Amino acid sequence: ETGVTQSPTHLIKTRGQQVTLRCSSQSGHNTVSWYQQALGQGPQFIFQYYREEENGRGNFPPRFSGLQFPNYSSELNVNALELDDSALYLCASSVTGLVRSETQYFGPGTRLLVL
Amino acid sequence: KQEVTQIPAALSVPEGENLVLNCSFTDSAIYNLQWFRQDPGKGLTSLLLIQSSQREQTSGRLNASLDKSSGRSTLYIAASQPGDSATYLCARGPGKLIFGQGTELSVKP
Repeated sequence: ETGVTQSPTHLIKTRGQQVTLRCSSQSGHNTVSWYQQALGQGPQFIFQYYREEENGRGNFPPRFSGLQFPNYSSELNVNALELDDSALYLCASSVTGLVRSETQYFGPGTRLLVL
Repeated sequence: KQEVTQIPAALSVPEGENLVLNCSFTDSAIYNLQWFRQDPGKGLTSLLLIQSSQREQTSGRLNASLDKSSGRSTLYIAASQPGDSATYLCARGPGKLIFGQGTELSVKP
């Protein structure tokens, strides 16, 4: 059984650019959640995807968007990057269904630096 | 506003000591509480999850408790080791996890 994987591991962008981060969920998991973790802070919920639909969103502007694919992998897209977008972006997978496991399993994260 | 608070922000103990990490939350209608470990620059490793119907969960040297009435959860680490050094985060669920800011633990040999 493979765990949650994320790519790339590190990324440097300039202000105003666009970025796409990728996440492969753990085998058998159908739900993906994305979090932003600034340095020295706890992760902040961005949004969650279940069955390719957005299933809850945190307090992030529309320039943060996402996708979930039929194989349950997911993308996080951020447009018009700002300096404050510099953070560790974490993806977590879990199971939503009749037999539910609320435990969320996290990937290693993507470190984004905006200059 | 639902909030999760962890105090202290940092803790340093000698190897072998038993210790308790604290987590408090404002919403008494909590569904579950999850404890994570985070090594520097890395992702989160799930340690224990306590459902609202449970009082505690144990895994090896770790024991987590949940007291909904007082809005508190504790993570007890027995016989601490230098390898336990990391940041410990608690989060209330389900779904949209709300995290505390974490307690940075350092266990000195």
